[in-house]
Amino acid sequence: DQQVKQNSPSLSVQEGRISILNCDYTNSMFDYFLWYKKYPAEGPTFLISISSIKDKNEDGRFTVFLNKSAKHLSLHIVPSQPGDSAVYFCAASGGFGNEKLTFGTGTRLTIIP
Amino acid sequence: DGGITQSPKYLFRKEGQNVTLSCEQNLNHDAMYWYRQDPGQGLRLIYYSQIVNDFQKGDIAEGYSVSREKKESFPLTVTSAQKNPTAFYLCASSMISRLANEQFFGPGTRLTVL
Repeated sequence: DQQVKQNSPSLSVQEGRISILNCDYTNSMFDYFLWYKKYPAEGPTFLISISSIKDKNEDGRFTVFLNKSAKHLSLHIVPSQPGDSAVYFCAASGGFGNEKLTFGTGTRLTIIP
Repeated sequence: DGGITQSPKYLFRKEGQNVTLSCEQNLNHDAMYWYRQDPGQGLRLIYYSQIVNDFQKGDIAEGYSVSREKKESFPLTVTSAQKNPTAFYLCASSMISRLANEQFFGPGTRLTVL
C-alpha cells in the first residue's frame, strides 16, 4: 500500500514559469513532510520541509504548502530554472521517535528553455 | 568537510556471491539508513539504526544484513539470498530530533549482478 503518492510521473514547465509538484498521503500519523531533489546516479538532496503545525513554508524560490484535511502537499518553484530539471521526491514521517521516512515514487521535472 | 561517503560507486558481483557496501558519516548523526532505488520507483527502506549495536528491518530487509558497531559506520551486506539485487543503493543519516529529522544522503552505490 503506497502511503505517499506522487501521481504525476513527469512534468514539463517553461523556464521562468511556476512549477507545481503534488503529493498525497494516506497515513494520518504523518506529521512532518520533506521534499528532495535527485539527479541521476546521485543521492537525493534535501530541499525544504514542513511540519503539520504549519500550512506553508518558504525558502527562496521554493514554497511548500500543506493541506492536512485533504492530506495533500505541494511544492512550488518560481521562477523555474533549467537547473531545476531533476526528479523530485516527497517524503513523510511520524515525527520524533519515528524518523523513518516514507517516500513517494517521484516526479521528473523538465524545465524547457 | 562533513558528509556521507559510500564506496564503491559501482560494484559488480557474480550471482551467488555476498557483497558489502560501505557507508561512513562524519556528521555525528545518531541514525543511519539504507535504501534501495529501482527505475521508476521511490526509495524503499532496507534497514535503519538509531543507535550503535541496534538496528531494525525496513520494508524490504529480506536478503540483506547490516551491522552498527560504530556510530560513524553502517555497512550493508547484500547476500546471495536477495533475489533481485541489481539496484542503486543509498545510505542516509539524520539526527534524532523533535524539531526536524531531515535525512542526508550519500552519493549511492550502483550494484550490478552479472
